[in-house]
Amino acid sequence: AAGVIQSPRHLIKEKRETATLKCYPIPRHDTVYWYQQGPGQDPQFLISFYEKMQSDKGSIPDRFSAQQFSDYHSELNMSSLELGDSALYFCASSLGIGGRLNEQFFGPGTRLTVL
Amino acid sequence: DQQVKQNSPSLSVQEGRISILNCDYTNSMFDYFLWYKKYPAEGPTFLISISSIKDKNEDGRFTVFLNKSAKHLSLHIVPSQPGDSAVYFCAASLGNTGFQKLVFGTGTRLLVSP
Repeated sequence: AAGVIQSPRHLIKEKRETATLKCYPIPRHDTVYWYQQGPGQDPQFLISFYEKMQSDKGSIPDRFSAQQFSDYHSELNMSSLELGDSALYFCASSLGIGGRLNEQFFGPGTRLTVL
Repeated sequence: DQQVKQNSPSLSVQEGRISILNCDYTNSMFDYFLWYKKYPAEGPTFLISISSIKDKNEDGRFTVFLNKSAKHLSLHIVPSQPGDSAVYFCAASLGNTGFQKLVFGTGTRLLVSP
């Protein structure tokens, strides 16, 4: 069965550079979530989208922006990267209406390293 | 402010024995709880969940217990198998719809030795 796809899997950037992370949800899923997991920390919710509209917002820095496109894939854009942005970024997808939490599936993550 | 806490970063158990992973939460508004299993280089995978109206949910070798008054839940794995070795995350949410974000604990690394 198709799973959530994230690209790239690994990304190395310098401070003050920009990065774009992509997430392709499971087919028919219309809701996408982004989580950030720092070293030794719990995954923290950043932002979510339903039907291309932002549905919820968590602890996402102003330097980050995200959107969901008409094909439901989502991109997380990160600018002015800082060392503290080094983390594993997970994307999850689900059905919004009619969906259940235990049917929220996670991608393998993108590991971002900022040097 | 850590709303979901897993105070044991690691746990070692012998194959065939019971593994008990614990989780505490502070927000009494949480009404749905989940356990995720995570292998290296993979995303978290849903394992088992429980609604706040229940105190126990069982699925094969996995049982989750919820004590609302203590704001505590635990995951029991019986019998433990080497393939269960992974990081286990406890998570909580304010509901069980497809729109809910998850609040995670920091995880417990379980090692099951043969």
